[in-house]
Amino acid sequence: GQQLNQSPQSMFIQEGEDVSMNCTSSSIFNTWLWYKQDPGEGPVLLIALYKAGELTSNGRLTAQFGITRKDSFLNISASIPSDVGIYFCAGQSRSGGGADGLTFGKGTHLIIQP
Amino acid sequence: KAGVTQTPRYLIKTRGQQVTLSCSPISGHRSVSWYQQTPGQGLQFLFEYFSETQRNKGNFPGRFSGRQFSNSRSEMNVSTLELGDSALYLCASSLTAGPYGQYFGPGTRLTVT
Repeated sequence: GQQLNQSPQSMFIQEGEDVSMNCTSSSIFNTWLWYKQDPGEGPVLLIALYKAGELTSNGRLTAQFGITRKDSFLNISASIPSDVGIYFCAGQSRSGGGADGLTFGKGTHLIIQP
Repeated sequence: KAGVTQTPRYLIKTRGQQVTLSCSPISGHRSVSWYQQTPGQGLQFLFEYFSETQRNKGNFPGRFSGRQFSNSRSEMNVSTLELGDSALYLCASSLTAGPYGQYFGPGTRLTVT
């Protein structure tokens, strides 16, 4: 089946630093999504990307849909304590005229040191 | 606008029993997908329903089933529970079955003893 390689697995950064994480796949995806999950909660959609090469921002977050459609990155600028959590990338492909279920990366655990 | 709601939030069952979980999508959303989240396997797609029809199914055994009602609410059922079914079960809704972002509920934490 499809697999997403998400890196890094965890990040220890200082407040105020910029953060960068990425996902790569051996398969092509038609949609890339980035989610954040806090403990005990479901993932929250941060950014959705629908076209190859698309660069989209949401406040301090910026994500890009790779031109090959096999990768995506998420950047967080000037990190703050509430950015702590687990970030997931997810890809969605289309087959048989419809969209498949999301394939998720294993997550990047972001920890901000005071 | 209310988000995706899931009930119950926590559940403890015994091996061999069956369980039914419920999901109410965001108003106006017609697609509901279910995912299983475990520390070892991460988030894995179970199935998707749109207009009361199952559109996609992940790689899970037949003990996992679901359905969707005319009001878009969905239920998933797991029969003959195994210890390995302990997980956070997440429901996500989206406007249509197309490639749009899915919005997740808080999940149901199932523990099988």
